[in-house]
Amino acid sequence: DAKTTQPPSMDCAEGRAANLPCNHSTISGNEYVYWYRQIHSQGPQYIIHGLKNNETNEMASLIITEDRKSSTLILPHATLRDTAVYYCIPRSGGGADGLTFGKGTHLIIQP
Amino acid sequence: DTEVTQTPKHLVMGMTNKKSLKCEQHMGHRAMYWYKQKAKKPPELMFVYSYEKLSINESVPSRFSPECPNSSLLNLHLHALQPEDSALYLCASSQEFSSYNSPLHFGNGTRLTVT
Repeated sequence: DAKTTQPPSMDCAEGRAANLPCNHSTISGNEYVYWYRQIHSQGPQYIIHGLKNNETNEMASLIITEDRKSSTLILPHATLRDTAVYYCIPRSGGGADGLTFGKGTHLIIQP
Repeated sequence: DTEVTQTPKHLVMGMTNKKSLKCEQHMGHRAMYWYKQKAKKPPELMFVYSYEKLSINESVPSRFSPECPNSSLLNLHLHALQPEDSALYLCASSQEFSSYNSPLHFGNGTRLTVT
């Protein structure tokens, strides 16, 4: 699996868009980019994933660069409940191969 | 709320005890996973079951013994643990099909303390 680089921590004001970057320059052609978050004392929560195209769901948007070497997770209107550790995880499509978590970004939403 | 249910939520056990952690899902998923998470660290994969057969063991000590009695249940049997095994143990499930639409769904974990 490709290695990732994420900033250790970020702050964002409540109500503003939170943009979380991830560098995955060694990603291979068949690896999808998954994003999870983990709120304190809970299990990781799936947010979104994509391969090449930008994706959007009710929680977030995922922007993947054309060369696929980096991506950005966007939370459009951050709330205090979005304070969590966010993990960007490249993963080969399909198969029961698990997820390999990196250190992630601790996003703190400020009131 | 999560669709993967783990029991108990908390467990304290001595080093000579035998205990079991339980995980249940009713999403029809055929792959199930155990992860271990130490404080302030990311989750680490321990075991993967695919169609009720063990497919990945990440060199986990034998004092941890997984079991998958059916497609909805996953157990982790614990015996002769050490204090350093204290951690949050997370269970997850996913469809095992060859499709990108197979995110893992996690439970909220069992917080284990070994005394």
